[in-house]
Amino acid sequence: DVKVTQSSRYLVKRTGEKVFLECVQDMDHENMFWYRQDPGLGLRLIYFSYDVKMKEKGDIPEGYSVSREKKERFSLILESASTNQTSMYLCASSPGTGKGRPQHFGDGTRLSIL
Amino acid sequence: RKEVEQDPGPFNVPEGATVAFNCTYSNSASQSFFWYRQDCRKEPKLLMSVYSSGNEDGRFTAQLNRASQYISLLIRDSKLSDSATYLCVVTFNQAGTALIFGKGTTLSVSS
Repeated sequence: DVKVTQSSRYLVKRTGEKVFLECVQDMDHENMFWYRQDPGLGLRLIYFSYDVKMKEKGDIPEGYSVSREKKERFSLILESASTNQTSMYLCASSPGTGKGRPQHFGDGTRLSIL
Repeated sequence: RKEVEQDPGPFNVPEGATVAFNCTYSNSASQSFFWYRQDCRKEPKLLMSVYSSGNEDGRFTAQLNRASQYISLLIRDSKLSDSATYLCVVTFNQAGTALIFGKGTTLSVSS
């Protein structure tokens, strides 16, 4: 069974802080993704990575950066947190080969920026 | 522009009812299709993939109509535990890195 683990379920930070959200998957998946989910807006892709040290911008990358130094770990960084980044953050992974390649999600991190 | 549209609902049905959700997509080059289920304040979980010939998993049936660019999910004999939001997902490339999630259809099953 695929396991995607996010470092925190709930996180409270202050405006201007640098925030790190960590995600680890144990299925040797090539692809990893970071989304945020807000009421009425659905899931929106922030960044994804298809290989170690590779990253691609999603639909809403502004204010975020990512790091993928190891295949199993994909970090999302809020360079200077702002209140409009309060949201549910979801990490996902998927295999680079195989039929369909559905994504598997972590439990999510509910981040509040005060 | 690539879009995936779903009726947000909510669909309120009694236990035992049959309910169907549709999802339309705008890009005819779409590669793969999935239905996910998301419970309140939880992560989305894969419910089933959708294959060209249609596929069934217990009470759930998924169908794909490429000509009309829509996929559907049929739930028979609804249970209280089926109450959730159902997300339609469409991928646009072989690598599975270009995909769009619909905003979801909410189902509420009552006794």
